[in-house]
Amino acid sequence: DIQLTQSPSFLSASVGDRVTITCRASQGVSSYLAWYQQKPGKAPKLLIYAASTLQSGVPSRFSGSGSGTEFTLTISSLQPEDFATYYCQQLNSSPLTFGGGTKVEIK
Amino acid sequence: EVQLVESGGGLVQPGGSLKLSCVASGFTFSGSDIHWVRQASGKGLEWVGHIRSKANSYATVYAASVKGRFTISRDDSRNTAFVQMNSLKTEDTALYYCTRHKSSVGSDSWGQGTLVTVSS
Repeated sequence: DIQLTQSPSFLSASVGDRVTITCRASQGVSSYLAWYQQKPGKAPKLLIYAASTLQSGVPSRFSGSGSGTEFTLTISSLQPEDFATYYCQQLNSSPLTFGGGTKVEIK
Repeated sequence: EVQLVESGGGLVQPGGSLKLSCVASGFTFSGSDIHWVRQASGKGLEWVGHIRSKANSYATVYAASVKGRFTISRDDSRNTAFVQMNSLKTEDTALYYCTRHKSSVGSDSWGQGTLVTVSS
């Protein structure tokens, strides 16, 4: 199975900060990686797919990059509504594993 | 509007069984892959398994943690997917989501989840 390691697992940031989350795969997944945002008590929401393609309706301050084994999710200017937990998921091969999550909290 | 509604969760004793349902609307269910994802309280997301569309022979794949105990099925005439859960363990306690999944994209629509609690 492909393991996904997210870092950091927790980060504290202020509104307006640039935030970067990393997802590392135990083996190459090409560009078959998605990012999700989950707010407390809500279902996850797809943000980015194919490593760097923004899902329809997602603000342009979100961006993704990477291929192979290393990927990043960047929020260019953190907004109050962005405080949430973020997960990566590899879509390259079953089981379609998730990373452990990164919780973004208000500093 | 795409909608997925799970039901069937509840309290069950270890070793017991439960069948969850996921009713879909707002999209062509028969042509869609359906995934199940679970989340224990305060924990991360865990992929449970999926069932593909008829065009892909209704193929199923399961996570190692549920293989042999869970069975995912679907009834396209009722726009409904199911997961039959047998030999339940306390570690199966979680909120179970069904999702519409697109290959190479991911799960672009999620239900609200149904809670399964395995406890004596």
